[in-house]
Amino acid sequence: GAVVSQHPSRVICKSGTSVKIECRSLDFQATTMFWYRQFPKKSLMLMATSNEGSKATYEQGVEKDKFLINHASLTLSTLTVTSAHPEDSSFYICSAQGQGAHQETQYFGPGTRLLVL
Amino acid sequence: QKEVEQNSGPLSVPEGAIASLNCTYSDRGSQSFFWYRQYSGKSPELIMSIYSNGDKEDGRFTAQLNKASQYVSLLIRDSQPSDSATYLCALFTGNQFYFGTGTSLTVIP
Repeated sequence: GAVVSQHPSRVICKSGTSVKIECRSLDFQATTMFWYRQFPKKSLMLMATSNEGSKATYEQGVEKDKFLINHASLTLSTLTVTSAHPEDSSFYICSAQGQGAHQETQYFGPGTRLLVL
Repeated sequence: QKEVEQNSGPLSVPEGAIASLNCTYSDRGSQSFFWYRQYSGKSPELIMSIYSNGDKEDGRFTAQLNKASQYVSLLIRDSQPSDSATYLCALFTGNQFYFGTGTSLTVIP
């Protein structure tokens, strides 16, 4: 099956700092990657959709200047939480949609748990 | 109307029973359908995909798709406590993915 990795798996930072999360598709090329946020016992919330080489499309209510997304290659997308605050503490999950045999499926990374103090 | 509707549960079944999870969708043009399992504190994991009407079996899991009635279901036979999780129904229309909010399943030993 298709494998998606995320790094780091867990991060604790001080309020006001920026945090970068990497999402990689390890064994397939991802034309599209998605970033989700999930609060405890709540549903997945789509934050943005990114296509390789173009600007991300953000969901309503998601601040694009706060959550910077870069999809520089077909295997790597990054999410940077800028000037993080305690309310940004959450479980951030990426997923990748592939090409060819993987083009109709989203494969999820293991997630990154962010705690902002 | 939401694109994908699931009963949030919780659904409780005794160990060894059949768990039946259901999902309805609104876009008749939807092409591909998926079931994901999400354990508490973990990310979703793809467990089944189905593309044509009928049943698709994989081990203890059977996905059922009825495009005329616009529903897709997941049956888990011989349910085990390790099946306790939230199950997400999802679909791809050809342009966009949509996820249900998930059904919480508890298998009671």
